Amino acid sequence: NAGVTQTPKFQVLKTGQSMTLQCAQDMNHEYMSWYRQDPGMGLRLIHYSVGAGITDQGEVPNGYNVSRSTTEDFPLRLLSAAPSQTSVYFCASSRTSGPNNEQFFGPGTRLTVL
Amino acid sequence: GIQVEQSPPDLILQEGANSTLRCNFSDSVNNLQWFHQNPWGQLINLFYIPSGTKQNGRLSATTVATERYSLLYISSSQTTDSGVYFCAAFTSGTYKYIFGTGTRLKVLA
Repeated sequence: NAGVTQTPKFQVLKTGQSMTLQCAQDMNHEYMSWYRQDPGMGLRLIHYSVGAGITDQGEVPNGYNVSRSTTEDFPLRLLSAAPSQTSVYFCASSRTSGPNNEQFFGPGTRLTVL
Repeated sequence: GIQVEQSPPDLILQEGANSTLRCNFSDSVNNLQWFHQNPWGQLINLFYIPSGTKQNGRLSATTVATERYSLLYISSSQTTDSGVYFCAAFTSGTYKYIFGTGTRLKVLA
């Protein structure tokens, strides 16, 4: 199993550009989530999904969209990038959204918005 | 929502020393995890521990859910233990994991 994979590893955008960060897992996990980590800080939840077709907002959802059309994939879209979105983005998945939901993280995407 | 606090924020140890990291949470949680973020930024699962005590080599963790805290013990620390240690608490009613701000550990040779 590859686990949780994220692409790209690094990305530089100009203000106003759009892009999609990709996340995929091959563990048949129901629950997937996106976090951002700013320098010297913990991870903050952006959006999450408890299953295909179901998404909801986390702590910091503004400026980001998500969709979950399949169990395996959970892309994160930046519609109009802003310098405040410069961060490291982590995707995670867990088997369920209830008990026994140990989370596993991808390697991260480092995004810089100029 | 639930608040997760970690202490101490920074810790410097000599190789071979022991340490205890603490995670307090403000409300009842269903699950709790400890992670190590290595100097390359990778998040490594240490423990999934909603309650009780677990051990893995030189590391062990205890969660007392009724008193709303968890402890991570590192014994005989090594330079490779350096990095940031995070705890994250999950409440099934909100479907959200909330992270603490971490303890930054540096182990000196």
